[in-house]
Amino acid sequence: EPEVTQTPSHQVTQMGQEVILRCVPISNHLYFYWYRQILGQKVEFLVSFYNNEISEKSEIFDDQFSVERPDGSNFTLKIRSTKLEDSAMYFCASRGTVEKLETDTQYFGPGTRLTVL
Amino acid sequence: QKEVEQNSGPLSVPEGAIASLNCTYSDRGSQSFFWYRQYSGKSPELIMSIYSNGDKEDGRFTAQLNKASQYVSLLIRDSQPSDSATYLCAVNPDTGGFKTIFGAGTRLFVKA
Repeated sequence: EPEVTQTPSHQVTQMGQEVILRCVPISNHLYFYWYRQILGQKVEFLVSFYNNEISEKSEIFDDQFSVERPDGSNFTLKIRSTKLEDSAMYFCASRGTVEKLETDTQYFGPGTRLTVL
Repeated sequence: QKEVEQNSGPLSVPEGAIASLNCTYSDRGSQSFFWYRQYSGKSPELIMSIYSNGDKEDGRFTAQLNKASQYVSLLIRDSQPSDSATYLCAVNPDTGGFKTIFGAGTRLFVKA
C-alpha cells in the first residue's frame, strides 16, 4: 500500500541553523500539507500546497518557514533559522488524486522529530 | 479563531465496554469531520470521516454528527486494550480542504 515517507526520522540542530525536512507524498496525490506537534500538545496546521503554490498557511508559518516541491516526488519544509520553540514532531500529509480530487482523506507520514539545542 | 474542543481525559473503560468520545467545533460553516487515532510517538491514523448529520458506522466504530449543535462524537464498541490511544477530532473549516484543525485529543485507556 502506498505511504507517505519522511526523512530524517530525527534531526538535531543548533539554534540559528537552517534545517530542511523532507517528505515523499503518495505518488499520485496532488495536495500536500505540513503539520507540527509540540510534545504533549495538539497537532497544528502549518501550510498546504497545491498546484505548485501555497494554498493556505497558519500564523505559525512565518517568514522563517518555506516549502518547496523541487521535483516530482519530494516536498520539503525549510526552517531558515531555528529557535528552541521549533522543537517538535513535524508531519507531512498528502491527499487527492486526479480521479478523486476532492477526497478529504489525508495520509500522514511517520514524522520527523526536530530537536533544537 | 476557529477551534476544536475535546475533553483531554483520560477516559478509562473496561475491556468490552463502549467508549464515548466527544468533540465540539466553533466554525458553523465546517463541512468535513474526522476522527484520528494517535499512538504515543506515532502519526495520526484516520479512523472515520463524516460529512452529513447522523450516524456513520464502520465496524466497532460509530461517528455521530450534529451540525446544529456543532458536535461530533465517536463511539467505540467492544473496546479492546489495543484501542488505548489518543483520539483526535479534526475539522476542515472550509470546503476547499486546504486546512484541517485538530483538537487536543482525548486519551483513552481500555483496562483488560
